[in-house]
Amino acid sequence: QVTLKESGPALVKPTQTLTLACTFSGFSLNTSGMCVSWVRQPPGKALEWLGHIDWDDDKYYTTSLKPRLTISKDTSGNKVVLTMTDVDPVDTATYYCARMVIQSVGWLNYYYMDVWGSGTTVTVSS
Amino acid sequence: EIVLTQSPGTLALSPGERATLSCRASQFISSSSLVWYQQKPGQAPSLLIYGASNRATGVPDRFSGSGSGPDFTLTISRLESEDFAVYYCQQYGFSPPYTFGQGTKLEIK
Repeated sequence: QVTLKESGPALVKPTQTLTLACTFSGFSLNTSGMCVSWVRQPPGKALEWLGHIDWDDDKYYTTSLKPRLTISKDTSGNKVVLTMTDVDPVDTATYYCARMVIQSVGWLNYYYMDVWGSGTTVTVSS
Repeated sequence: EIVLTQSPGTLALSPGERATLSCRASQFISSSSLVWYQQKPGQAPSLLIYGASNRATGVPDRFSGSGSGPDFTLTISRLESEDFAVYYCQQYGFSPPYTFGQGTKLEIK
């Protein structure tokens, strides 16, 4: 059974650095095609893809936040960490991690996030 | 960056009716790159459809996806009470960022 769970502070002050962890089980991030993505959702708003890390330790980020984001694997092998620097009240959101799969079928590649964590709510306020 | 536009923003229907949700990409994307998610209040999103038309494991067959770049459709053939939720499309185009649409809220009429 694949599970993911986010953890981190509920409240962060503006200009501080936010660090969130995603602890997962039931799959290996060393397996080809396996990735962990981060997605956030401000209150009452749409989902926003933030980035992902893949089995080859390659990282990809959304354009607008790229200078402030870092995604990394923990040495334990079953944890992925999201770091966001210089947070602002607009970064207030529920942050989700999800398993992202790249499935190759013939010459096609299918991408999807099939298992999600329950999310962690982060408020940025002084 | 590819922009996904979902329509309508809100759709009010009754149980038993057919729902048709649209997702339009700002440029061509492969069908294999289009995904639909369902999100119920207070819950994480859940995967419905990947590759534009492939139902995820456990998704009822009243859900179907169709289309090709840039226009895609999610159809729910006969609405049940548990289907009233927000639906998002997402694209995995040639390269990141992998953007979401703004969502369609399906509400009970």
